Amino acid sequence: GIQVEQSPPDLILQEGANSTLRCNFSDSVNNLQWFHQNPWGQLINLFYIPSGTKQNGRLSATTVATERYSLLYISSSQTTDSGVYFCAVERSGYNKLIFGAGTRLAVHP
Amino acid sequence: KAGVTQTPRYLIKTRGQQVTLSCSPISGHRSVSWYQQTPGQGLQFLFEYFSETQRNKGNFPGRFSGRQFSNSRSEMNVSTLELGDSALYLCASSLSAGVDEKLFFGSGTQLSVL
Repeated sequence: GIQVEQSPPDLILQEGANSTLRCNFSDSVNNLQWFHQNPWGQLINLFYIPSGTKQNGRLSATTVATERYSLLYISSSQTTDSGVYFCAVERSGYNKLIFGAGTRLAVHP
Repeated sequence: KAGVTQTPRYLIKTRGQQVTLSCSPISGHRSVSWYQQTPGQGLQFLFEYFSETQRNKGNFPGRFSGRQFSNSRSEMNVSTLELGDSALYLCASSLSAGVDEKLFFGSGTQLSVL
């Protein structure tokens, strides 16, 4: 099946710093989404981005489908950005998202 | 608009028992998926339903089953519980059957098997 690899596995930042999270996937996908899981376990959908670039406030994401990777940018990080960031992909007709192992982010004041 | 609602939030069971978890999707959403999250295995797909039909199933034993009702609400059942079934069970909904739909998750049911 399709493999999803996220890097780095762990990231520690000072408040105000910028960061880039990466997601590599092993096959063509029709669907790629980024999620943030907060410390209480709630998974929040950040982006649906099978290709191209999107921005939402301090967050932006870019997916280069032909090269099978996606990047999530966090600028001016805040302590509330702490948690685990997951990338998930789906191949056409499979009706299921395959999740990466996540990047655990800790932002310190 | 209300989000995805899962009940109960926490559940404690003993080995051998069975459990039923409930999920109400966002109003208008017809696709419901279930995922199991554990520290060791991460987020793993259980099954997906659309219009009361199971369209895909993950690699879980037959003790794990589910169904979807005509109002799109879904339940999953785990029979003969094992210690390894302890996990956060997450339900997600999306608008339609296509692959290009954002997935929205509920808060999950934390199941502990003793």
